[in-house]
Amino acid sequence: DIVMTQSPATLSVSPGERATLSCRASQSVSNSLAWYQQKPGQAPRLLIYGASTRATGIPARFSGSGSGTDFTLTISSLQSEDFAVYYCQQYNNWLTFGGGTKVEIK
Amino acid sequence: QVHLVQSGAEVKKPGASVKVSCKASGYTFTTYGMHWVRQAPGQRLEWMGWINGGNDNTKYSQKFQGRVTITRDTSASTTYMELSSLRSEDTAVYYCTRDDSYAYYWGQGTLVTVSS
Repeated sequence: DIVMTQSPATLSVSPGERATLSCRASQSVSNSLAWYQQKPGQAPRLLIYGASTRATGIPARFSGSGSGTDFTLTISSLQSEDFAVYYCQQYNNWLTFGGGTKVEIK
Repeated sequence: QVHLVQSGAEVKKPGASVKVSCKASGYTFTTYGMHWVRQAPGQRLEWMGWINGGNDNTKYSQKFQGRVTITRDTSASTTYMELSSLRSEDTAVYYCTRDDSYAYYWGQGTLVTVSS
């Protein structure tokens, strides 16, 4: 199975600042990598697929990069509604999710 | 507009089985497969298995092999996930999600509580 590892586990950021989240795969997943945002009591919301393509309706402040085993989600200027847990997921070989990064208010 | 509507919360005793349904609308049901994913309290999302959109082929996570069964009723546009031999560690929210390779469409989630 492909193991997805996210870092850091928690990221404390002030509103308006940039947040950079990392995700590493235990083997290459090519660009079959998605990012999700999840708020308490809600289903995950797709932000990015294909490592760098924003899903419909996702603001431009969210961007994804990387390929192979190392990926990054960047939120350029954090808004209040962005404080949440973020998961990466590979879909190159079925589905595996990372452990999540909680973005909290500093 | 695509919708995935899941059945309601369940409370089960250890050793019992649970069957969760996921009714799809807004697209041709047989065109897309369906994944089942669960999330235990405070834990990461965990893939359980998948059923093909065009036939009854399934694939299960090794972790749940032998305990999980995913089926579908094309006449009702509904997918089912049954988990047997429940234990307390199976307490979780269970989600269906349409197979677009990634997971764009999600059901609202079904809380399954396993408690004696």
